[in-house]
Amino acid sequence: DTAVSQTPKYLVTQMGNDKSIKCEQNLGHDTMYWYKQDSKKFLKIMFSYNNKELIINETVPNRFSPKSPDKAHLNLHINSLELGDSAVYFCASSQDSSLPSGNTIYFGEGSWLTVV
Amino acid sequence: QKEVEQNSGPLSVPEGAIASLNCTYSDRVSQSFFWYRQYSGKSPELIMSIYSNGDKEDGRFTAQLNKASQYVSLLIRDSQPSDSATYLCAADTGRRALTFGSGTRLQVQP
Repeated sequence: DTAVSQTPKYLVTQMGNDKSIKCEQNLGHDTMYWYKQDSKKFLKIMFSYNNKELIINETVPNRFSPKSPDKAHLNLHINSLELGDSAVYFCASSQDSSLPSGNTIYFGEGSWLTVV
Repeated sequence: QKEVEQNSGPLSVPEGAIASLNCTYSDRVSQSFFWYRQYSGKSPELIMSIYSNGDKEDGRFTAQLNKASQYVSLLIRDSQPSDSATYLCAADTGRRALTFGSGTRLQVQP
């Protein structure tokens, strides 16, 4: 069973389009994240949600809008796609307990977005 | 200054040697540290975590933490070609999300 699953895995779309990436985790974790990995492999936090509440909202264009209908799901909608949005988007989750290991992050398989 | 810094590599070692991967962090608030391995085209997978100063061993892997020097390292003993990947260091800076370094690419030569 996949612990953190996201769809689609590959997405090729034209500039200006709107697209969504869906994510679900079956680990019972309280916190979910969206990370963006650029061509240089740098993983950067975009958003995090804890029990459906937005916790982290980094400096991301407001064309990116996360939505968490429940604590097991975190979707990412992107409006008016631009060439620079091409990247790999990873969904992740963590337990978020008070223990040091609580923030161990488990990643989904990634969504490869290419904007042409 | 980046919060978590790693040498991008590539670090090339012969099969059977010890690979030493290093990471420094700038925020002294950081308490927990993680090493992830990422194969090309795949997602990062956790190798080890370390929270206390000193060494922590798990099989062929040893993580080392020195909070005074703000330094974390990962040693891979008896390196195998299958260890060839990018290794990402991450720190929990208390922001409720891990902050990652840019990764070190390791190449193990058969």
